[in-house]
Amino acid sequence: QVQLVQSGAEVKKPGSSVKVSCKASGITFNSISIIWVRQAPGRGLRWVGRIIPKLGTPDFAQDYQGRVMITADESTATAYLELSRLRPEDTAMYYCATSRAGLRWERTTYYSYMDVWGEGTAVTVSS
Amino acid sequence: EIALTQSPATLSLSPGERATLSCTASQGVRSASLAWYQKIRGQAPRLLIYGTSTRAAGIPDRFSGRGSGTDFTLTINRLEPEDYAVYYCQHYDSSSVSFGQGTKLEIK
Repeated sequence: QVQLVQSGAEVKKPGSSVKVSCKASGITFNSISIIWVRQAPGRGLRWVGRIIPKLGTPDFAQDYQGRVMITADESTATAYLELSRLRPEDTAMYYCATSRAGLRWERTTYYSYMDVWGEGTAVTVSS
Repeated sequence: EIALTQSPATLSLSPGERATLSCTASQGVRSASLAWYQKIRGQAPRLLIYGTSTRAAGIPDRFSGRGSGTDFTLTINRLEPEDYAVYYCQHYDSSSVSFGQGTKLEIK
């Protein structure tokens, strides 16, 4: 059974950083992509970034460029999202997600969808 | 990044009716890149449709997806009480990932 287990809720001060983990089980870690999605209170789903451990380099939504880092530790099958210079508007539920089917390649382009989701990590930024 | 615009923002329908939700991409996308999710408050998103028209495992055949290029549609036939939720389309390819802003399906 494929499962993503996220770290627990965090409360942070503005200007600080937060690091959220996402541990995968039941799946070959280096064959998948893991994306991070957030949902602020009353708002929609927003893509934050992703990493494909096999390819190494993460990419991020433009809104978070310069403040976000995503890493993956293949030895523990764990992905990490780190967001720095936190603002109150970063208060949100953060989800990691992946696909059991991995990536679908068509020549040099790949596609995916997310059928396995973590339970979410609530991050609150408040002074 | 490709922008996805969903319409309507809110859809009010009665149980048993058919819901038609739209998702328009800012530029043409491959059908393989388009998925739909259901989001219920307090729960993680749930994959409904991927590759524009393929139902995910365990999704009833009341749910169907279609479309191409810039225009995609999710149809839910014979609405059940558990279908009232927020629905999101998503684009995922090697260039970027994006979500629409969501359509809230509420009971009329």
